Amino acid sequence: AQSVTQLDSQVPVFEEAPVELRCNYSSSVSVYLFWYVQYPNQGLQLLLKYLSGSTLVKGINGFEAEFNKSQTSFHLRKPSVHISDTAEYFCAVSEKDNTDKLIFGTGTRLQVFP
Amino acid sequence: IAGITQAPTSQILAAGRRMTLRCTQDMRHNAMYWYRQDLGLGLRLIHYSNTAGTTGKGEVPDGYSVSRANTDDFPLTLASAVPSQTSVYFCASRNRGNTEAFFGQGTRLTVV
Repeated sequence: AQSVTQLDSQVPVFEEAPVELRCNYSSSVSVYLFWYVQYPNQGLQLLLKYLSGSTLVKGINGFEAEFNKSQTSFHLRKPSVHISDTAEYFCAVSEKDNTDKLIFGTGTRLQVFP
Repeated sequence: IAGITQAPTSQILAAGRRMTLRCTQDMRHNAMYWYRQDLGLGLRLIHYSNTAGTTGKGEVPDGYSVSRANTDDFPLTLASAVPSQTSVYFCASRNRGNTEAFFGQGTRLTVV
């Protein structure tokens, strides 16, 4: 069964600084990987996804993530954050099988300070 | 507006009572999911369904049941609520494993 580990529960950062949110996964088969964002009192929305092909994936709002199969990682990055990026970020994994199960990590709270 | 609808938005429930959280989607998605979100624990999968007529257990299925009689609806039932089931519940749907999941706005459930 697949699992996801988000190593940082909180990441504080100043505005315009770069940020990396870490995600590691575990699975016995190939996977699809996703990053979702949750703004306060809202549901989740997709930032980006990795299905296959190029390991560097670009998403909305200037975010990007890199899939590293050998390290089983899918870290999220942004070169310069804004106050409006303050939110909860979730990494998720779905195995390439017939179950369509979608498993989330525990989330990382990104707090951007002026 | 197409999307996924959850009801109720919030509910206070006495322990021991039965409760069904409703979830309806109009995107004709095959797969549907129920998650609970708790502080520090992220989103944990309760049950899921690949297609109408089939369901599967997620990470934390105990105390919950689901049904998928048709494509659009995926209700979650708490047969006898306990305080540890106090949480925010999210329903989601998507087509297949490589596609984006769409989420409802959540149901805030308090069991007292």
